[in-house]
Amino acid sequence: GEKVEQHESTLSVREGDSAVINCTYTDTASSYFPWYKQEAGKSLHFVIDIRSNVDRKQSQRLTVLLDKKAKRFSLHITATQPEDSAIYFCAASKQSNYNVLYFGSGTKLTVEP
Amino acid sequence: DAGVTQTPRHEVAEKGQTIILKCEPVSGHNDLFWYRQTKIQGLELLSYFRSKSLMEDGGAFKDRFKAEMLNSSFSTLKIQPTEPKDSAVYLCASSFQGAYEQYFGPGTRLTVL
Repeated sequence: GEKVEQHESTLSVREGDSAVINCTYTDTASSYFPWYKQEAGKSLHFVIDIRSNVDRKQSQRLTVLLDKKAKRFSLHITATQPEDSAIYFCAASKQSNYNVLYFGSGTKLTVEP
Repeated sequence: DAGVTQTPRHEVAEKGQTIILKCEPVSGHNDLFWYRQTKIQGLELLSYFRSKSLMEDGGAFKDRFKAEMLNSSFSTLKIQPTEPKDSAVYLCASSFQGAYEQYFGPGTRLTVL
């Protein structure tokens, strides 16, 4: 089955700097790659996704890059703010496998004032 | 619109007890997921329903875990009998069929003594 690895378990940046979180996946059939955010004591909520028919997607301060050859995708957050502090989870899904998501282990991002 | 609701928010059980967790998906969503979240294992899929039919269950969880979807707006997860290693946060999520963004409930924190 699919295995998603999230390389940074923790990441600390200064407010205003950029943050990058990297993930790799194993199954070439994976075609959908969402990111979820979990703030302290709260549940997960969706932040951004990318599908395999594009290699870049931007939404305000968030950009997702997808490198299908390397089976790698990443979340870039620019102009970080303290409210970006949270655990970020990457995930992968195969269209043929319904909506089942395989999650990475999470990256705890801390944005220091 | 109401999001995904889960009850109870906290549950404390003695080893060997039976517990039932409840979930109400977002109205109109066809897909419903149960996940378990622990610090060590991360997010693990327990069950996946589409239009009330069980599509996938996490193989490792078949033994003592049983999820049911009694109607399109209500699901339960029964753990019988509970063991201390079941202590975790149990998350329910739902999505539209064919779309991929999953909406997560607040979770039930289970402690088994």
